[in-house]
Amino acid sequence: QVTLRESGPALVRPTQTLTLTCTFSGFSLNTDGMCVTWIRQPPGKALEWLALIDWDDERYYTPSLRTRLTISKDTSKSQVVLTLTNVDPVDTATYYCARGVGWERYDYWGLGTLVTVSS
Amino acid sequence: DIQMTQSPSSLSASVGDRVSITCRPSQDIAIYLNWYQQKPGRAPKLLILATSNLQSGVPSRFSGSGTGTDFTLTISSLQPEDVATYYCQHSYSAPPYTFGQGTKLEIK
Repeated sequence: QVTLRESGPALVRPTQTLTLTCTFSGFSLNTDGMCVTWIRQPPGKALEWLALIDWDDERYYTPSLRTRLTISKDTSKSQVVLTLTNVDPVDTATYYCARGVGWERYDYWGLGTLVTVSS
Repeated sequence: DIQMTQSPSSLSASVGDRVSITCRPSQDIAIYLNWYQQKPGRAPKLLILATSNLQSGVPSRFSGSGTGTDFTLTISSLQPEDVATYYCQHSYSAPPYTFGQGTKLEIK
């Protein structure tokens, strides 16, 4: 059974660094074709694709946030970590992680975690 | 970046109606277009991969068509449980894979 769960702070102050962890089970990021992606959704707004890490440790980022985002994996812990530096209130969103079969097929998602950026 | 434009942004239809949602990428993406359904308070769910490949468990009233820069998601007979926001997403070439702005579907 595939599951993913996002964890991290619910509240972050502006200019701080946000660190989110996706803990997954039921698959391995060492398996060819497996990926984990992060997608966010500001309240009442559309989905925004953020980053992806694949089985080969290739990493991809959305260009608009490329300088602020880092994605990494710890396969021994079945975790993927996303960091976003210098956060701003516009970064307030529900952050989802999802499993990718290949880069494009996001078949299992976490429940999401709401992060609010506010002073 | 490939920009994805969906229309309409919202839609109200009656149970049993045929409903169509359009997605237009800013460049030719061949068949690499996916559709997601998101119900309120829930994570998105993948409905259709690569234009027309219905995912396991998705009702057959959902279908997708198109190629290049013009794609359509069709619900052949709208059901109450189809109330949701629908998003298109391209998966052309390597990531990043941008989403459309969403289409909110309601029942009249």
